[in-house]
Amino acid sequence: DTGVSQDPRHKITKRGQNVTFRCDPISEHNRLYWYRQTLGQGPEFLTYFQNEAQLEKSRLLSDRFSAERPKGSFSTLEIQRTEQGDSAMYLCASSLGRMVAGELFFGEGSRLTVL
Amino acid sequence: AQSVTQLDSQVPVFEEAPVELRCNYSSSVSVYLFWYVQYPNQGLQLLLKYLSGSTLVKGINGFEAEFNKSQTSFHLRKPSVHISDTAEYFCAVSDQGTSYDKVIFGPGTSLSVIP
Repeated sequence: DTGVSQDPRHKITKRGQNVTFRCDPISEHNRLYWYRQTLGQGPEFLTYFQNEAQLEKSRLLSDRFSAERPKGSFSTLEIQRTEQGDSAMYLCASSLGRMVAGELFFGEGSRLTVL
Repeated sequence: AQSVTQLDSQVPVFEEAPVELRCNYSSSVSVYLFWYVQYPNQGLQLLLKYLSGSTLVKGINGFEAEFNKSQTSFHLRKPSVHISDTAEYFCAVSDQGTSYDKVIFGPGTSLSVIP
C-alpha cells in the first residue's frame, strides 16, 4: 500500500498524558499537512510542511502541540498534557504541490480519546 | 480568509433519485474549489475540483459540480444515486494566490441513500 499511513489508528489516554502520532506520506510528496476533525465537523487545518520546513501553524495549535518532519519524510504530531478537548480525529495529508493543485491525499486518521 | 458553508448537514435520498448538495464559499480573492468524500471508516478522497476554465466539472462516480462565481456557489450533483454513495461530503476552498495548498473545508453534508 503506497498511500498515506498514520499510526496509531486509535489512542486512548488519560488527561495530562503526552501522546504522539506518526504520519508517513506518499513517498514522492514534498508537502504534508495535519488537520483535526471533530464529530460533525469538517477537517480543521493545523499545520503544513514543505519538505522539512514547517511553514504555517494555525492559531488552533496551542503551545501544547508540536509537529516535526525531521528529514522531510515522515512527520510526528505530539500533544503534551492532553485535555479532554483534544479528543478528535487527527488527519494527515500529503500532496505533490501546485502541479496538482489542491489534491490532498489523506490517511485514515488517528483517533484520540482523552479520558 | 476563506470560509465554506454547506447548508444541509444531512440529506436523505432514495436510491436512483437525483441529489444536489449545496456549497457556498466566501473569499476576497480567486479560489480553487473542491469536493471531497469520506466513506465510512475511510480517509477523505478527492471527488472533483475546479481550477479554471469550464464551470461545469465532472468527477468520479458520476458526480459533477458547477462553479457559479456570481453566487459564490459550487453545488454538487448526481442524477441517480446508488447505495454506495452513502458518505460524508465536504466542500473545500483554496486560495489561488498562496504558494501552497492550504485547503479549508466546510462542515460536511451526510448523504444517506435509502434503498
